[in-house]
This record gives sequence, structure tokens and C-alpha cells, in this order.
Amino acid sequence: DQQVKQNSPSLSVQEGRISILNCDYTNSMFDYFLWYKKYPAEGPTFLISISSIKDKNEDGRFTVFLNKSAKHLSLHIVPSQPGDSAVYFCAARSGGGADGLTFGKGTHLIIQP
Amino acid sequence: DTGVSQDPRHKITKRGQNVTFRCDPISEHNRLYWYRQTLGQGPEFLTYFQNEAQLEKSRLLSDRFSAERPKGSFSTLEIQRTEQGDSAMYLCASSWNSRISPLHFGNGTRLTVT
Repeated sequence: DQQVKQNSPSLSVQEGRISILNCDYTNSMFDYFLWYKKYPAEGPTFLISISSIKDKNEDGRFTVFLNKSAKHLSLHIVPSQPGDSAVYFCAARSGGGADGLTFGKGTHLIIQP
Repeated sequence: DTGVSQDPRHKITKRGQNVTFRCDPISEHNRLYWYRQTLGQGPEFLTYFQNEAQLEKSRLLSDRFSAERPKGSFSTLEIQRTEQGDSAMYLCASSWNSRISPLHFGNGTRLTVT
């Protein structure tokens, strides 16, 4: 049972345009959300996070939006650059229980020149 | 900050053998996590430590899996009597002692069981 879902296995975007990666969750106990980026043969690298008390968090070219009523979050990358080509994972942490993160399956973002 | 270090990067073993992986976390971090990642999936949480205390181990995949962090610094993950289904990337991460502290991952150990 996937509690964190990334329904797009891949996404292709032109360089300079906006990349929008989506994530849905089912567990209403999740109260902290993170996005990670992963290159081949490397571990995931933390990008940006958002607490459930906020609906937006911005860091440079990266913005995460949280819609709690829809149990949906998205990562916006503007403008997209070739180095952004990677697999992006959405992750969530529950307010109770085990303290590990629950990850989605990832979205492979490809930035086209 | 030298990052999370994992050793070895790759391990090939025969079915039935025992394997042990090591993780050295970021030195200031007192939380340490182990994850497993298989092809096409996101990382799957296995266990975590706060200092030397193992606070969650119910997600370990079977009793063949065990982890230790004897002095609250480095950690080891052992898999006994390996099976082909254990082939995966094993990731270690560390963080500050805070629920809103992000996890910082190492580059993982890729295990292949033949």
C-alpha cells in the first residue's frame, strides 16, 4: 500500500521552462514533507522541505506547494537547467509512530536542451 | 562536514553467506537510519538509532537482518544467510535530533547475491 504516490514515472521539460513534479499522499498523520534529488550511483540529496503548517516554501529556483485538503504537494523548478536532470523523490514523515521517512517511487526528470 | 560515508560501495556474495555493511554518519548527527532501495522503488525504511539506542526495528525485513551502533558513532548492518531477494542498494542516512531535520544520505552499498 503506497502511502506516498508519484504517478508520473518520467517527465521531459525544455531547458529554461518550468518543471512541475507532483506527489500525493494518503496518510493524514504525515506532517512534514521533503523532496530529494538522486543522480545515478549516488545517494539521494535533500532539496527542500515543508511543514504541514505552511502551504508554500521557496528556496532559490525550487518551490514546494502543499495542499493539505487534497493531500497533494508539488515541486516547481524555475527555470529548469540541464543539471536538474535526475530522479526526484517525494518523502513524508508521520507525526506519530516510527520516525523514518516514507518515500514515493520517484519521477525521472529529463531536461531537454 | 565530510558527509555520510558507506563501505563497501559494492558487495557481491553467494547465497547463504553473511554480509556486513558499515556507515559513518556526519559527526554532529546523533540520528542514524538504514534504508533499502530496489530498482524502480523509493528508499524503504528499515531501522534507526538515536545515539546508540535502536528506537525502531520492526521494519527490518526479517530476523536475518540486524543493525548495531555500539558507541553512538558508526553503525553496521548485517544480513545473515543472504538470499537472492536481498540484492538491493542499502542506504544509510543521518540527521540532527529533530523531527524537522532532513536526512542526509550516503552513496549506498550495492549488494548482489548470486
